[in-house]
Amino acid sequence: DQQVKQNSPSLSVQEGRISILNCDYTNSMFDYFLWYKKYPAEGPTFLISISSIKDKNEDGRFTVFLNKSAKHLSLHIVPSQPGDSAVYFCAARFYRSGNTGKLIFGQGTTLQVKP
Amino acid sequence: DSGVTQTPKHLITATGQRVTLRCSPRSGDLSVYWYQQSLDQGLQFLIQYYNGEERAKGNILERFSAQQFPDLHSELNLSSLELGDSALYFCASSVDPTGELFFGEGSRLTVL
Repeated sequence: DQQVKQNSPSLSVQEGRISILNCDYTNSMFDYFLWYKKYPAEGPTFLISISSIKDKNEDGRFTVFLNKSAKHLSLHIVPSQPGDSAVYFCAARFYRSGNTGKLIFGQGTTLQVKP
Repeated sequence: DSGVTQTPKHLITATGQRVTLRCSPRSGDLSVYWYQQSLDQGLQFLIQYYNGEERAKGNILERFSAQQFPDLHSELNLSSLELGDSALYFCASSVDPTGELFFGEGSRLTVL
């Protein structure tokens, strides 16, 4: 059962334009959502996050939007740069009692930003 | 550099064999997570340890086991290996279970 889904395996945008990466989730108990970025031969690195009590979080060129009613979040990158080309993973945290904060990841979306 | 160290980086072995993957978390991090990334798949959660104790279990096969030692490093043991076990295995650590996860570079396992 895939609780976090990224339905677009890949996305290609022109440098300077907006990149929008989408993510859907099924479990309404998730309380925290994150985006990770992964370059080849490296581990994923944290990019930006949003709490379930918010609907928007911004950090420089990166903005994450959360629509709880639709169980959907998106990552906007404006303006896109060639260095943003990477695999982007959406993740959700399902916090339970007993100190477990495991992340559930989507399949990833490969972003290519063309110069 | 995330501060999480995984060894070996690459490992090639045969079906039926057993391997051990090692992870050293960031200094001060008590929580260790193991994830598996197969071809075209996302990161599948395997297991989590916090200060030496197992805290959460995901889609980990019975042929796989893990532990976290008193010095907080962790090992993932994979036995009776099958072709389908070929994947990237990531270790991540965090200060506590609610903190940001920092990932290592992964161990790429190839089973022939």
